[in-house]
Amino acid sequence: DGGITQSPKYLFRKEGQNVTLSCEQNLNHDAMYWYRQDPGQGLRLIYYSQIVNDFQKGDIAEGYSVSREKKESFPLTVTSAQKNPTAFYLCASSTHGQSGSEAFFGQGTRLTVV
Amino acid sequence: AQSVTQPDIHITVSEGASLELRCNYSYGATPYLFWYVQSPGQGLQLLLKYFSGDTLVQGIKGFEAEFKRSQSSFNLRKPSVHWSDAAEYFCAVGSRSGGSYIPTFGRGTSLIVHP
Repeated sequence: DGGITQSPKYLFRKEGQNVTLSCEQNLNHDAMYWYRQDPGQGLRLIYYSQIVNDFQKGDIAEGYSVSREKKESFPLTVTSAQKNPTAFYLCASSTHGQSGSEAFFGQGTRLTVV
Repeated sequence: AQSVTQPDIHITVSEGASLELRCNYSYGATPYLFWYVQSPGQGLQLLLKYFSGDTLVQGIKGFEAEFKRSQSSFNLRKPSVHWSDAAEYFCAVGSRSGGSYIPTFGRGTSLIVHP
C-alpha cells in the first residue's frame, strides 16, 4: 500500500539532546513537508522540499533542520536550540501538478521533552 | 500572505442534526481550498478539495463545501451528523510554490456530537 510512514510514533528526549524524526513515502511524490501541531494552534509549517537536495524554511524553522537526499525520505532533526520542542509533528507529501494536488499526511510523531 | 480563519474553536451538535463549519481565507490569487479531518492522535485525512469549476464540492463521508469568492469563504456542511464525525476539522488554502501547492491551515474546529 502506498503511503507515508512516520517513525517512531512516540519519542522522548532529554533537554539538550538532538533527535531525528523519520518520514518515508512511497507515493513517488515530489514535495514533502513538516508541520508542527500544538493544541489550539492548528498546523504550522516548519520546512518543505520541492525536489531532492533542495528545501526551504517555513514559518517556524528556528531550532529545526532537514535533509532531502532521496526523493522518498525527508527526516527532521529537532535540535537543542528549539526551546519548546514538545509537540505533535506531522509529515506530508504531494505531487506536482497544474491543477493543484492535496497533501497526504503520515500518522504523526509525538515528541516529549523530559 | 495567505491565511485561513476558522472562527469557531468548538461546535457542539446533536446526532442527526445538520452541521456547518465556517472557513474564511485570504489569498491574492485563485485559491485552492481543502478540508481535512483529524481523529485524536492521528494524521489528517482529506475530506474534499476545490480547485476550479463547480463551487459546490462533494467529499467523502457525506460532506460538502461551497466556495463563495465574494465572501472569501469555504464552509463545510453535512445534512445529518453521525457520532463518528466527532473530530477536529481543518480548513486549508494552498499557495503555489514551484510545482506544488503548500497548505496553510486554520486553527481547526473541534466537533462534539451529543447522542
